[in-house]
Amino acid sequence: DAKTTQPTSMDCAEGRAANLPCNHSTISGNEYVYWYRQIHSQGPQYIIHGLKNNETNEMASLIITEDRKSSTLILPHATLRDTAVYYCIVGGSGTYKYIFGTGTRLKVLA
Amino acid sequence: DTGVSQNPRHKITKRGQNVTFRCDPISEHNRLYWYRQTLGQGPEFLTYFQNEAQLEKSRLLSDRFSAERPKGSFSTLEIQRTEQGDSAMYLCASSLGPGGGETQYFGPGTRLLVL
Repeated sequence: DAKTTQPTSMDCAEGRAANLPCNHSTISGNEYVYWYRQIHSQGPQYIIHGLKNNETNEMASLIITEDRKSSTLILPHATLRDTAVYYCIVGGSGTYKYIFGTGTRLKVLA
Repeated sequence: DTGVSQNPRHKITKRGQNVTFRCDPISEHNRLYWYRQTLGQGPEFLTYFQNEAQLEKSRLLSDRFSAERPKGSFSTLEIQRTEQGDSAMYLCASSLGPGGGETQYFGPGTRLLVL
């Protein structure tokens, strides 16, 4: 079973921030939170990952709660091309295989 | 383009035939993974190599499936006597490990349709 829980679907208006939540209440101390997205018929695309601190890159920001039991992926200015399924995964540092859930289907609306 | 390539991108075969897929990981990556994804589901782990050693196989990988990574570089996944239930996207990923926070980079996948 997946170690994460995500909403099945979300809508976001183009140009607005998309905030995608993820619960990972059983995360262990050395596990990272990874976010990927998958656009139809393509392989999953890495977005960002983090351990404890908030992280930002050119694609997104990752906010991890202090107790590490949940996180939020933020796409600051969503575009139509951000329409995809977004997966939150807990793993790394020895737990080498990813266990994917069903992800959140984000639809960006014009 | 992540640097992980997979061939072929699409394969249509008849039930009972054998098929082989190839994955070329990012060149310096020592870890290689195979996943399978069916429609509407997230990818499911199949197997994992560190260099040429196959270190874990999921119970999803029946006896008809075999994977190799002979020189620790590219990998092949073979399915013998294909069944319609094998129809899926087969994904390959690679990473540089061991180490904290290692990130897997996925290829575009091979979509298999068994008729």
